[in-house]
Amino acid sequence: VQLVESGGGVVQPGKSLRLSCVASGFTFGTYAMHWVRQAPGKGLDWVAFISYDGNGKYYADSVKGRFTVSRDDSKNTLYLQMNSLRTEDTAVYYCARDSLFEGRGASKFDYWGQGILATVSS
Amino acid sequence: QLVLTQSPSASASLGASVKLTCTLSSGHTTYAIAWHQLQPGKGPRYLMKVDNDGSHSKGDGIPDRFSGSSSGAERHLTISSLQSEDEADYYCQTWGTGVLVVFGGGTKLTVL
Repeated sequence: VQLVESGGGVVQPGKSLRLSCVASGFTFGTYAMHWVRQAPGKGLDWVAFISYDGNGKYYADSVKGRFTVSRDDSKNTLYLQMNSLRTEDTAVYYCARDSLFEGRGASKFDYWGQGILATVSS
Repeated sequence: QLVLTQSPSASASLGASVKLTCTLSSGHTTYAIAWHQLQPGKGPRYLMKVDNDGSHSKGDGIPDRFSGSSSGAERHLTISSLQSEDEADYYCQTWGTGVLVVFGGGTKLTVL
């Protein structure tokens, strides 16, 4: 199992960024996925969830209405569209696989990506 | 409210053992948790799930030096025969009804 994030960078407040996470080594379309972030000097913070079939999407209150999670099973890819970015969104973003097969709810995370840094700064 | 509490730091000598603790909030003391290791410059690594009865199931390739246990509201991660590469941040994680994901604040382990 491998998860590889990309798409990070430096953007100004109010701008947008789209993160991608390419999965390999398992049948991507049968597992729910999460995004988690870690701000500088802080702990892990859950951001978003998408069910295995894409029908269930949930967000942390801090990003609701600004971030959108999606998936393209034909490309084995998870996305996080981040709009109206704020300086407090600066963090390393990780994608993670939920351990439940065909999961519609959250469980433990059993595989993680290496992370990608998104910096929001003027 | 589902909350996980961890001590901010811990330390132990090379070759010794250390026990890290994650405490579940009142009303949620039977929940299972997962332990994750975050080494500097790397992505998190799933270590194991620890159930209320103390049983634990490890992730792929996790050495026998890592074990889990449970006591009441506490879930423990014990690392024996400490190695330098064990110096890392350790996070516990749990999950609730629907899609509720909670992380503890993390424990920074220093290997002396």
